[in-house]
Amino acid sequence: QQKVQQSPESLTVSEGAMASLNCTFSDGTSNNFRWYRQHSAKGLEVLVSIFSDGEKEEGRFTAHLNRANLHVSLHIREPQPSDSAVYLCAVSPTGNYKYVFGAGTRLKVIA
Amino acid sequence: ETAVFQTPNYHVTQVGNEVSFNCKQTLGHDTMYWYKQDSKKLLKIMFSYNNKQLIVNETVPRRFSPQSSDKAHLNLRIKSVEPEDSAVYLCASRPDWGGYEQYFGPGTRLTVL
Repeated sequence: QQKVQQSPESLTVSEGAMASLNCTFSDGTSNNFRWYRQHSAKGLEVLVSIFSDGEKEEGRFTAHLNRANLHVSLHIREPQPSDSAVYLCAVSPTGNYKYVFGAGTRLKVIA
Repeated sequence: ETAVFQTPNYHVTQVGNEVSFNCKQTLGHDTMYWYKQDSKKLLKIMFSYNNKQLIVNETVPRRFSPQSSDKAHLNLRIKSVEPEDSAVYLCASRPDWGGYEQYFGPGTRLTVL
């Protein structure tokens, strides 16, 4: 059964500094990886989806996938206080609708 | 406005009561989901509907039942709530075309006393 783990559990960064979040998964055959963001008062927001090894950039958000190492990361360039939220990593096995989520990383960006 | 809408935003009830949550999507998507988010922010899929047919049921307790009148609506009914049902319930939808994007509603927070 797929297991998804995120680290760190919480992260505080200064405005403008790079924020890096990590996610490891157990099923190396997975082919869909996604990073979500959840603000306390809103629903989940899809930040970036990645399907193959390498890098995928969406604005200030960049995902790096290395399936051999069972690892996908999210880097946030020039984070702002409004980026403070819980960030969730989601992994989907091949040809499946179901996403398995990690427990999340709580990011706090201070001015 | 095209989005995923959920009502109510929150609901407080007592053990044994019946509750219903509504979800509507105006995105023209073909598949809708209900997720339960626990206190640790873990999302667990409960039901998935594609064109009114249940295609995924993650062995949730029988007191939970999805109800759909058309592909734009997917409601969730809990027949007799229990304390462990306290959580945020998230509705999502996705199209059959394109990638695997899922669009989420704002959630319904259920508190069972």
